[in-house]
Amino acid sequence: EAEVAQSPRYKITEKSQAVAFWCDPISGHATLYWYRQILGQGPELLVQFQDESVVDDSQLPKDRFSAERLKGVDSTLKIQPAELGDSAMYLCASSFAGGAYEQYFGPGTRLTVT
Amino acid sequence: AQSVTQLDSHVSVSEGTPVLLRCNYSSSYSPSLFWYVQHPNKGLQLLLKYTSAATLVKGINGFEAEFKKSETSFHLTKPSAHMSDAAEYFCVVSQAAGNKLTFGGGTRVLVKP
Repeated sequence: EAEVAQSPRYKITEKSQAVAFWCDPISGHATLYWYRQILGQGPELLVQFQDESVVDDSQLPKDRFSAERLKGVDSTLKIQPAELGDSAMYLCASSFAGGAYEQYFGPGTRLTVT
Repeated sequence: AQSVTQLDSHVSVSEGTPVLLRCNYSSSYSPSLFWYVQHPNKGLQLLLKYTSAATLVKGINGFEAEFKKSETSFHLTKPSAHMSDAAEYFCVVSQAAGNKLTFGGGTRVLVKP
């Protein structure tokens, strides 16, 4: 069964450092999402891509976060500089298209900022 | 705007007894509603979804949920809990026309032997 892949699974970094996460969606899925899940809370959408274009980044802290999906396949989420409050699980999801299609989630990257 | 409230942050049940997880939603549109489960160190998995068809929705692993528009609720139930049901459960709403998911705060389920 096809799955969404994410790496690394765990990342520890010091504040003010740069950190990057990678996501490989299910093959053929045009829509890709990045979520942040703070411990004890539900996931919150950071950015949504349709192919290589951003369709929603209203909740992305653009002063320090950036996301790209250059060829419309895999994607990278970057934080620079990292802050203590960025400690969270970063989840990637993909779906065949937007609308009512089911989103499939990867295992996430757990980030700890010290 | 849309929002979801999960009324219990923790639920503890004995194996073999019924499970009830409560969810209320708010949406300006005809909503699509979902329940996801998250096991430790695993990705979120879809249990079931409501998209304006039958109001009683059956999902995987014996779970079902009932959409009640008058009560703006979408409670999740299972007749008999299994040890493997111990996990965190999220109620989720999305706009019918789009796919932006809004998650509730989650309910952690503990199953006692």
